[in-house]
Amino acid sequence: KQEVTQIPAALSVPEGENLVLNCSFTDSAIYNLQWFRQDPGKGLTSLLLIQSSQREQTSGRLNASLDKSSGRSTLYIAASQPGDSATYLCAVANQAGTALIFGKGTTLSVSS
Amino acid sequence: KAGVTQTPRYLIKTRGQQVTLSCSPISGHRSVSWYQQTPGQGLQFLFEYFSETQRNKGNFPGRFSGRQFSNSRSEMNVSTLELGDSALYLCASADTAGVFGELFFGEGSRLTVL
Repeated sequence: KQEVTQIPAALSVPEGENLVLNCSFTDSAIYNLQWFRQDPGKGLTSLLLIQSSQREQTSGRLNASLDKSSGRSTLYIAASQPGDSATYLCAVANQAGTALIFGKGTTLSVSS
Repeated sequence: KAGVTQTPRYLIKTRGQQVTLSCSPISGHRSVSWYQQTPGQGLQFLFEYFSETQRNKGNFPGRFSGRQFSNSRSEMNVSTLELGDSALYLCASADTAGVFGELFFGEGSRLTVL
């Protein structure tokens, strides 16, 4: 059974710092991995989607990497800003595309 | 274009009642999936509909059901509500079947069961 773990559960950093969020999964037979952002009481916003054949994806100050063999993904946020404060979730899709398993998220707080 | 719309945004029910939640996907999207989010369990997949057919179902009891209409709008129903059903219910739409592609989420319906 696929399990997705995100460490740390919470992170506080000063504005301007570069940071890394971690996501690990137990079954490497995945179709893709997505990173989402969730603001308090809101829905999820897709940030980056990495197919299983890809190593990384970039969007603006965000870079996500995928190492399928070791069951790990990282989300790198450059030059963090207070507006980046949110909960970040990763989710893996199984190869059949029938299940999406989420981690419990990392809650990020960026102080000005 | 308009995003995913969920109604109602907030509702309060009592144990034993039933509830129906609605989700209107992005125009042109034919896949709608539903998720339950609680502080203890996190986000869990409920089911997915594509072109009015349920394609996939998560590990939830039969009290949780859904359907999709010809215009791709979807509803989910929870019968005989229990306290543990209190959660944020999210739906997501996509232009492909399954969970292969980018998902677009609504803002959710927050259900409180008293």
